[in-house]
Amino acid sequence: DTEVTQTPKHLVMGMTNKKSLKCEQHMGHRAMYWYKQKAKKPPELMFVYSYEKLSINESVPSRFSPECPNSSLLNLHLHALQPEDSALYLCASSPPRAGVGYNEQFFGPGTRLTVL
Amino acid sequence: TQLLEQSPQFLSIQEGENLTVYCNSSSVFSSLQWYRQEPGEGPVLLVTVVTGGEVKKLKRLTFQFGDARKDSSLHITAAQPGDTGLYLCAGADKMNYGGSQGNLIFGKGTKLSVKP
Repeated sequence: DTEVTQTPKHLVMGMTNKKSLKCEQHMGHRAMYWYKQKAKKPPELMFVYSYEKLSINESVPSRFSPECPNSSLLNLHLHALQPEDSALYLCASSPPRAGVGYNEQFFGPGTRLTVL
Repeated sequence: TQLLEQSPQFLSIQEGENLTVYCNSSSVFSSLQWYRQEPGEGPVLLVTVVTGGEVKKLKRLTFQFGDARKDSSLHITAAQPGDTGLYLCAGADKMNYGGSQGNLIFGKGTKLSVKP
């Protein structure tokens, strides 16, 4: 299995809803990431998990809550979102390569989120 | 703050033409990745360059990493409509030591359109 999967593909939610995005990989990668991407812009890093521990939170509002239940799964819990949170949410993972100076990230297909 | 300047932002060419996309920075990167992204999908990793002066070829795509590891280029020979997409360069800002992952700094992307 050489891919990152994300569900759902599309999500429409109201500002009072609670929903979750799911990401899964079975490549043995020990770092997983959440990115937000607006149209015609590059991905913006939100969170990084390394060995199931949150290592980076890029000042993301608390209405976004990440969770890493195990080394293969990454969730993003959404609550009380705003219309400006509508975007493509991308999950990525990368392998641990001790002592090697590069960081390859493998992206999932994304979840297109629309907040009404 | 490390920045990656990518140029051109937009490129529209005819099938069969050659093109070059540039990625420049005043900072040194431990590695640099090139991704291609289609609308509504996640970025797909094309190549990683690590060594200064390195040249990698992927069919009609040639990737080069500058000697000082501050810049990179992507050259496409005889472009085809299937090459259409958003090309993103991304640099790793830290050495990857085991589970400690470096962030990726993304360029703003080059939107390529190849007309038949």
